[in-house]
Amino acid sequence: GAVVSQHPSWVICKSGTSVKIECRSLDFQATTMFWYRQFPKQSLMLMATSNEGSKATYEQGVEKDKFLINHASLTLSTLTVTSAHPEDSSFYICSAETEDTQYFGPGTRLTVL
Amino acid sequence: DQQVKQNSPSLSVQEGRISILNCDYTNSMFDYFLWYKKYPAEGPTFLISISSIKDKNEDGRFTVFLNKSAKHLSLHIVPSQPGDSAVYFCAAAFSGTYKYIFGTGTRLKVLA
Repeated sequence: GAVVSQHPSWVICKSGTSVKIECRSLDFQATTMFWYRQFPKQSLMLMATSNEGSKATYEQGVEKDKFLINHASLTLSTLTVTSAHPEDSSFYICSAETEDTQYFGPGTRLTVL
Repeated sequence: DQQVKQNSPSLSVQEGRISILNCDYTNSMFDYFLWYKKYPAEGPTFLISISSIKDKNEDGRFTVFLNKSAKHLSLHIVPSQPGDSAVYFCAAAFSGTYKYIFGTGTRLKVLA
């Protein structure tokens, strides 16, 4: 089946620094990738839709200047959390779209100290 | 307002028995539904899906049932195995968009 990877899988950073998370589709090209954030005891929250070669579409309430998304190629999308704060600590998951479904990456655990 | 609801946050089932996970949705325009399975610290993995033109889809031990009039779908796992212990998310979508609206998940625990 289709494989989506994320790097890093786990990151700890200091408050005020920026963190970049990569999402790659390993064996297929994805024109669209999605970024989710998971809250404890809650479902995945869609943050933004990333389209190759164009600006990302952000969901209501998601700060686009704080969560920078770049989709430079058909196999790579990046999420940069700028000036991270402890409240940004979470599990970030990407997914990549194929013809019939989405495949999720393994997630990145971000801890901001 | 939660458009996709999984009202049971947790469920425990004996190994070998049937697990039934339920999901309700509010928007009758949804026409594609999916179930995902998620282990701790991992991303959710696709399990099974169903289009609104069907009322049942089966894949091995997993069967999804869709009741459009009740806006309800369920996932049946038979027989349940300890390795099925995970959080199960249902999701609804408008076909062709693949922008999924997820439920809040049900934690299934299969007891050996």
